[in-house]
Amino acid sequence: DAGVIQSPRHEVTEMGQEVTLRCKPISGHDYLFWYRQTMMRGLELLIYFNNNVPIDDSGMPEDRFSAKMPNASFSTLKIQPSEPRDSAVYFCASSLAGLGSPLHFGNGTRLTVT
Amino acid sequence: DAKTTQPPSMDCAEGRAANLPCNHSTISGNEYVYWYRQIHSQGPQYIIHGLKNNETNEMASLIITEDRKSSTLILPHATLRDTAVYYCIVRVYGGGYQKVTFGTGTKLQVIP
Repeated sequence: DAGVIQSPRHEVTEMGQEVTLRCKPISGHDYLFWYRQTMMRGLELLIYFNNNVPIDDSGMPEDRFSAKMPNASFSTLKIQPSEPRDSAVYFCASSLAGLGSPLHFGNGTRLTVT
Repeated sequence: DAKTTQPPSMDCAEGRAANLPCNHSTISGNEYVYWYRQIHSQGPQYIIHGLKNNETNEMASLIITEDRKSSTLILPHATLRDTAVYYCIVRVYGGGYQKVTFGTGTKLQVIP
């Protein structure tokens, strides 16, 4: 399997622009997670889905952030409008359901908002 | 999920065993202990997990104390490529609830 695939790897945008990050989870996985990593705050869980349904979005920082999972093989994280403080590495991860199933992470998208 | 405590940093000589401790004194009976590592700016990589028995795989060994309040990840022969941040997580699963949160981890530096 190719693993979790994220795109783009790098994104540079200007403040106020809309940004869309994409994730393809491992086929057959039931859970999908979005994380954000910064030096100051470390790895933060933003939202996770179970069978395409959002379960917990309490980590989404503001209404400017939204996430969707229209089907089992695709998810997006959108920021509109973007701000410089959104600059971070955003990771997507997926896992199977069931006891003991680990998370498998993608290589992340490095977002820079100028 | 229970809170974990790890030392912020550790050094280990190349070729020696690296022993990374984790305290999880409030762990519940249905929570697993997981270890991940993050090399540079890559996505975290799963290493190993356990419930109450000691576990070993091709990457590492996990020793969990009998009371389950702490654990140790052992890299038997550390190499320079093991330099990374290591995260210890305890995690419960049930009823669709699978929130997984990371702490600050231990930065392991393997020294030549």
